[in-house]
Amino acid sequence: ETGVTQTPRHLVMGMTNKKSLKCEQHLGHNAMYWYKQSAKKPLELMFVYSLEERVENNSVPSRFSPECPNSSHLFLHLHTLQPEDSALYLCASSDRDRGSYEQYFGPGTRLTVT
Amino acid sequence: GQQLNQSPQSMFIQEGEDVSMNCTSSSIFNTWLWYKQDPGEGPVLLIALYKAGELTSNGRLTAQFGITRKDSFLNISASIPSDVGIYFCAGLTGTYKYIFGTGTRLKVLA
Repeated sequence: ETGVTQTPRHLVMGMTNKKSLKCEQHLGHNAMYWYKQSAKKPLELMFVYSLEERVENNSVPSRFSPECPNSSHLFLHLHTLQPEDSALYLCASSDRDRGSYEQYFGPGTRLTVT
Repeated sequence: GQQLNQSPQSMFIQEGEDVSMNCTSSSIFNTWLWYKQDPGEGPVLLIALYKAGELTSNGRLTAQFGITRKDSFLNISASIPSDVGIYFCAGLTGTYKYIFGTGTRLKVLA
């Protein structure tokens, strides 16, 4: 059971393609996150949005472009990716206003760049 | 940069045994979170810790926020086969930045 959904669950794309990952949270949270999970490496924070405003941008290459149209939806637009960008991309949400620092994750999108 | 060292990296245990794992850092954190991740899925939050010295339980799981605020511990009692997975710690630094450990892979032998 998860209050955070992600689509698609799997994506294969060529280096010249443009695609988008979608995340939706149903928890009423006000902060959303994108993480990258590669094999043998800790989760890497990519972007954070709080109340639809980007508050963290962790030196991510410009071929990754986030968009947060409202507090429930988060997108990650992908273009001209490299094979080393293949990874599990995880979305998460949290609600700082309620004094909680708990962060909840979606199931992830497994991305393969060919 | 900030880093969390998680140990052990992996462990095989017999069903029914207790399990201990820990997470250490040279940095201070104000919040510790523990997650479990199954293959092909996102991490699932197990326990959140907010105060140094705090001990919190969730069923057979018990986690502690180290008194120095630089470490945290997770114990699983009487392990069962469904405990298999990767366990991650995460420390909160600043307002939104969570630093994750490299994970402890747990395998339970029936």
